[in-house]
Amino acid sequence: GAGVSQSPSNKVTEKGKDVELRCDPISGHTALYWYRQRLGQGLEFLIYFQGNSAPDKSGLPSDRFSAERTGESVSTLTIQRTQQEDSAVYLCASRPLLTGAYGYTFGSGTRLTVV
Amino acid sequence: AQSVTQLDSQVPVFEEAPVELRCNYSSSVSVYLFWYVQYPNQGLQLLLKYLSGSTLVKGINGFEAEFNKSQTSFHLRKPSVHISDTAEYFCAVISTGGGNKLTFGTGTQLKVEL
Repeated sequence: GAGVSQSPSNKVTEKGKDVELRCDPISGHTALYWYRQRLGQGLEFLIYFQGNSAPDKSGLPSDRFSAERTGESVSTLTIQRTQQEDSAVYLCASRPLLTGAYGYTFGSGTRLTVV
Repeated sequence: AQSVTQLDSQVPVFEEAPVELRCNYSSSVSVYLFWYVQYPNQGLQLLLKYLSGSTLVKGINGFEAEFNKSQTSFHLRKPSVHISDTAEYFCAVISTGGGNKLTFGTGTQLKVEL
């Protein structure tokens, strides 16, 4: 597609439930990133996929968070046993391999509200 | 480790007035610097970037920023703002060797008033 697509755009869930967020990167973009944007805070790095290399999971805040990506296609971010502090906008970005940081394209995000 | 500080959480300004959004960074190595804009209910859009060369960088929509290594700053400026510039602005940094992960500031909400 023309841009990075994220779904759903909004998600309201009850505390303790699991949620799955989806990111469709731009075709051909080998690198994919997940960021979290909590109210009044900057974007926090969560996880980074680069082709078939092992992902950089250094930003995941707890073992309740996990993400998968098969090859250079769709990625899913899963949050288990959601807590109220997980409420945030979750942003996905992709970029081609050789462009470096200036090649990032961000999606519109998924707004997660845990009640 | 690298970090970015945006001291102003909100900046109100009248239309056609000049504006400066401040950004300071810390890093022990060379950096690449970026400004992103986020319009309501939209994704982040790259405004401009500093990678190397001239310290004055021009971006889209009439914005420019100046890299000042001695002051570790990368302030964003526009000589005359328009109502359509109302948005959230994020400064971000990548340190060379940092795996191309962007570190963002907390953002500055620019509100342009008539």
